[in-house]
Amino acid sequence: DIQMTQSPSSLSASVGDSVTITCQASQGITNYLNWYQQKPGKAPKLLIYDVSNLETGVPSKFSGSGFGTDFTLTIGSLQPEDFATYYCQQANSFPLTFGGGTKVEIK
Amino acid sequence: EVQLLESGGGLVQPGGSLRLSCAASGFTFSSYAMSWVRQAPGKGLEWVSAISGSGGSTYYADSVKGRFTISRDNSKNTLYLQMNSLRPEDTAVYYCARDGTTVPTSFWYFNLWGRGTLVTVSS
Repeated sequence: DIQMTQSPSSLSASVGDSVTITCQASQGITNYLNWYQQKPGKAPKLLIYDVSNLETGVPSKFSGSGFGTDFTLTIGSLQPEDFATYYCQQANSFPLTFGGGTKVEIK
Repeated sequence: EVQLLESGGGLVQPGGSLRLSCAASGFTFSSYAMSWVRQAPGKGLEWVSAISGSGGSTYYADSVKGRFTISRDNSKNTLYLQMNSLRPEDTAVYYCARDGTTVPTSFWYFNLWGRGTLVTVSS
């Protein structure tokens, strides 16, 4: 199985800051890497698919990059609605696997 | 409105069974692969199972293989998860999720989610 390791597990940032979350796969997954945002008590929401493709309706301050085993999600100019938990997910092979999550909190 | 609505969750004793349903509306259900994803209380996301648009191909996490069965009825626009031999560690909110692309290609990212249904396994 492919293990997905996210870091950091949590971070504190201020409104207006830019933050970067990393996700590392235990083996190469080419570009089959997706990112989700989840707020408490809500279902996850797709942000980015296939490393860098923005889902319809997602603001351009979210961006993704990477290939192979190392990937990043960058959120520009954090706003109050961006404080949430973010998950990466590999879709290269079954079983599909998620990273452990990164909780972005307000400083 | 495009949506997924799960039902069937509840409290069940260890070793018991439960069947979850996910009713789809607002889109051509048979054109999409579907998955179940769960989230234990206070924990992260765990993919559980997936099924192709036709229902001909199914996939499972090792943690549920042999105990859970995914199926779909495209005439009823409904996805199912039959859960047998339930364990306390199966306690979670179970979400159904739709693939982001239409068949024949499935890229296994999820751009439509239900609100989830809570399954509690406890004596």
